[in-house]
Amino acid sequence: EVQLVESGGGLVQPGGSLRLSCAASGFTFSSYAMSWVRQAPGKGLEWVSAISGSGGSTYYADSVKGRFTISRDNSKNTLYLQMNSLRAEDTAVYYCAREITIFGVGYYMDVWGKGTTVTVSS
Amino acid sequence: AIQMTQSPSSLSASVGDRVTITCRASQGIRNDLGWYQQKPGKAPKLLIYAASSLQSGVPSRFSGSGSGTDFTLTISSLQPEDFATYYCLQSRAFGQGTKVEIK
Repeated sequence: EVQLVESGGGLVQPGGSLRLSCAASGFTFSSYAMSWVRQAPGKGLEWVSAISGSGGSTYYADSVKGRFTISRDNSKNTLYLQMNSLRAEDTAVYYCAREITIFGVGYYMDVWGKGTTVTVSS
Repeated sequence: AIQMTQSPSSLSASVGDRVTITCRASQGIRNDLGWYQQKPGKAPKLLIYAASSLQSGVPSRFSGSGSGTDFTLTISSLQPEDFATYYCLQSRAFGQGTKVEIK
C-alpha cells in the first residue's frame, strides 16, 4: 500500500525551529518528486516546497523562502522540512505529498499523508 | 507567477443537482490543471489531472474541461458524499477553493 506518514509537528514559539519528517512506503521513493503543502486553520491549501527525486533540485514558495529547507534521504525513504524563524502565520496542518507529472508537463500531487499540525505561538 | 482565480467561493446545492465550478488562469496554461476534493479534517484527493483526465477510482459523475485560461469541474449529479471543498491546482498554485454545501 502506498503510504505517507508525517511527524514532527507541535507547539513552537515565534522565532523557533521545527523539523518535519514524512516516511514513505509502498513505492520507489527516489523516483518521485515530493512536495509539502500546508493549510492554515479555516483557510485554503498553500503549496510550500518541492524537491526532485534525486534531491538535486528544490523549490520554495515566496512565503517561506530563506526560512524553510526541504531535503530527502532516499536510503531511508524519508522527506524532511526544516522550518526556522517560525512566525504565527506558519501555523497550519502540513501535508507531504507525492508528485507526478503528466507527459512531462504539470505537477500533480496524487498521494497525500494525513498531515501534522504546527502551531506557532507564545 | 500565474494566478488562479476560482469561482464561486461557495455554493448551495441539492442531491441530484448538476454543479459547475470554474477556475481561470491569468495566462494560458494549455491543459495543465488539476482538481481536488477535500473533506473536513482529511487530506485532499486528486479527482482530475491534465484538465480532463479522471484519476483512477474517481466516479464518472466528475468531469473536467477547458484549455488555455478557462477550466471547469462538473459534478453531473451531486451525491451526499460530494459535499466538500474543491480546489483547482496549476503547477503548485492552488485556487482559493469552492465549498459545496447542502441546500
